[in-house]
Amino acid sequence: NAGVTQTPKFQVLKTGQSMTLQCAQDMNHEYMSWYRQDPGMGLRLIHYSVGAGITDQGEVPNGYNVSRSTTEDFPLRLLSAAPSQTSVYFCASSPSGTGEDGYTFGSGTRLTVV
Amino acid sequence: DAKTTQPPSMDCAEGRAANLPCNHSTISGNEYVYWYRQIHSQGPQYIIHGLKNNETNEMASLIITEDRKSSTLILPHATLRDTAVYYCIVRTRPGGGGATNKLIFGTGTLLAVQP
Repeated sequence: NAGVTQTPKFQVLKTGQSMTLQCAQDMNHEYMSWYRQDPGMGLRLIHYSVGAGITDQGEVPNGYNVSRSTTEDFPLRLLSAAPSQTSVYFCASSPSGTGEDGYTFGSGTRLTVV
Repeated sequence: DAKTTQPPSMDCAEGRAANLPCNHSTISGNEYVYWYRQIHSQGPQYIIHGLKNNETNEMASLIITEDRKSSTLILPHATLRDTAVYYCIVRTRPGGGGATNKLIFGTGTLLAVQP
């Protein structure tokens, strides 16, 4: 099993550009989520999904969109990139919406907006 | 979810036990204690969780005080590969609704295992 796969690993965007960060898991997990991590800070939840067709906002959703058309994929879209969105983005999944047995994280996407 | 307090950094000699403390004095009865770690440039990794009983798995042991206001993560024989930031997280029992599905990460403890 590959676990949680994030692509790309690195990306540089110009202010105002849009892009999609990809996240895929092959563990048939119902729950998926996106976090961002800024230097010296913990991870903050952006959006999450408890199953296909269901998404909801986390702590810092502004400037990001998500969709969950399949169980496997949970892409994160930046609509109009801003320097404040420079961060490391992590996707996480768990077998159920409860996350009781812990979350599996991807290796991250390092995004720089110039 | 209750807040946690952890020391910013700790050192441990390779092969010795690493004991990482966490204070969660405002924890309520239905809140679990979770531990994750993040090795440099990688995604966080789940380690262990518990409610009130001590827990052990292949990675670590979790000791929760009787009043549940603090806990200790124990890595019995630390190796250089255990050098990471360790996060102690308190959250309500999963399944209580959307808000309980998120993990609130603080700044954690940087454990440096020395050769």
